[in-house]
Amino acid sequence: EVQVVQSGAEVKKPGESLKISCKVSGYSFTSYWIGWVRQMPGKGLEWMGIIYPDDSDTKYSPPFQGQVTISADKSVNTAYLQWSSLKASDSAMYYCVRRAGYSSGWYGDHWGQGTLVNVSS
Amino acid sequence: SYVLTQPPSVSVAPGKTASITCGGTNIASKTVHWYQQKPGQAPVLVIFFDSDRPSGIPERFSGSNSGNTATLTISRVEAGDAADYYCQVLDDNTDFPLFGGGTTLTVL
Repeated sequence: EVQVVQSGAEVKKPGESLKISCKVSGYSFTSYWIGWVRQMPGKGLEWMGIIYPDDSDTKYSPPFQGQVTISADKSVNTAYLQWSSLKASDSAMYYCVRRAGYSSGWYGDHWGQGTLVNVSS
Repeated sequence: SYVLTQPPSVSVAPGKTASITCGGTNIASKTVHWYQQKPGQAPVLVIFFDSDRPSGIPERFSGSNSGNTATLTISRVEAGDAADYYCQVLDDNTDFPLFGGGTTLTVL
């Protein structure tokens, strides 16, 4: 059974750094792209970026390029999303999602439970 | 950039059929995927590649894609189907998926 388990909720202040994680099991971590989806309070879904853990090839959606860093450690089957300097506008739920499908039409077939990030002074 | 348009809300009585649309220019040339998100929960994939169902998703859920509109159809709607539903396609401009704004399905 595929499982995607994310780290717990975070409360941070503006300017602080943060790294949240997503540990997977039940499949070969290095065989699938895995990514992050943001959902701001009361809003819709946005893909942020994806990483291929086998070689750490990473792609970012344009609005998120330079704003976050996605990484992966294949020795522990874990993907990460990090910020170097948080803003209040980063407050959101973040989902870790396994990518399935093909380059011409991919989708998220297994989702983590979400990590709530609250950035407030 | 490409825009997906979903109705904000759809209401349906139990046992009836709900149709949730996702509009986009020549969307039939793209593959459409659908997600269900219940309150306080993570999204769940319900339809991929226009009309395929993941294992565990009831046959009551079906999808179609033609012209400028993709449709998620839920037959014999149950109270537990109440949720937000999002369509998703690949944005050729960014090579990243784009979600529709979401539709809240209310079961009367």
